[in-house]
Amino acid sequence: GAGVSQSPRYKVAKRGQDVALRCDPISGHVSLFWYQQALGQGPEFLTYFQNEAQLDKSGLPSDRFFAERPEGSVSTLKIQRTQQEDSAVYLCASSSGAGENTEAFFGQGTRLTVV
Amino acid sequence: KNQVEQSPQSLIILEGKNCTLQCNYTVSPFSNLRWYKQDTGRGPVSLTIMTFSENTKSNGRYTATLDADTKQSSLHITASQLSDSASYICVVRKTGGGNKLTFGTGTQLKVEL
Repeated sequence: GAGVSQSPRYKVAKRGQDVALRCDPISGHVSLFWYQQALGQGPEFLTYFQNEAQLDKSGLPSDRFFAERPEGSVSTLKIQRTQQEDSAVYLCASSSGAGENTEAFFGQGTRLTVV
Repeated sequence: KNQVEQSPQSLIILEGKNCTLQCNYTVSPFSNLRWYKQDTGRGPVSLTIMTFSENTKSNGRYTATLDADTKQSSLHITASQLSDSASYICVVRKTGGGNKLTFGTGTQLKVEL
């Protein structure tokens, strides 16, 4: 596709429900990132993939958060037993390489509301 | 304490006026700094990238500066337009820090008639 695509755009979950958020990166992009953006705040790093390898998951806030990218393209962020504090916009970004000056392109995000 | 601090938190200016947004960072060792524009309901879009050796870089009506000694950056917007209304986020990357980006909390700019 032309850009990073995320689905769904909006998700309302009842507390305790499991959710899965999908990210389709730009075709051919090696690197993929997930960020969590609380209302009025800047994005916070969650995890990073290079191809199918999850190289950094230091930002995942708890073991309820799990991300995968099994074939090195599409990625899924799963949140188990959602809590109200999980309410945020989840942004996915991809970049063509792993170089430090390589630009990351962001999707529109998935707004998760836990009620 | 956030490693990237931005000011002001919000700003309202009249169309056609100029403005300057500030970013102070403590992220070290420094690799590069990007300014992103984030429209409401959209993902951030990169405006400029500044590396250690660069002092000034322009992209149309946007001009970014970097002082690596004082760890400060600014984004100057000239002849503002209504479409400039957005959140402007300063993002710093560490050298050798993997691919973790550190985001500021942003400056919310509103341009009015």
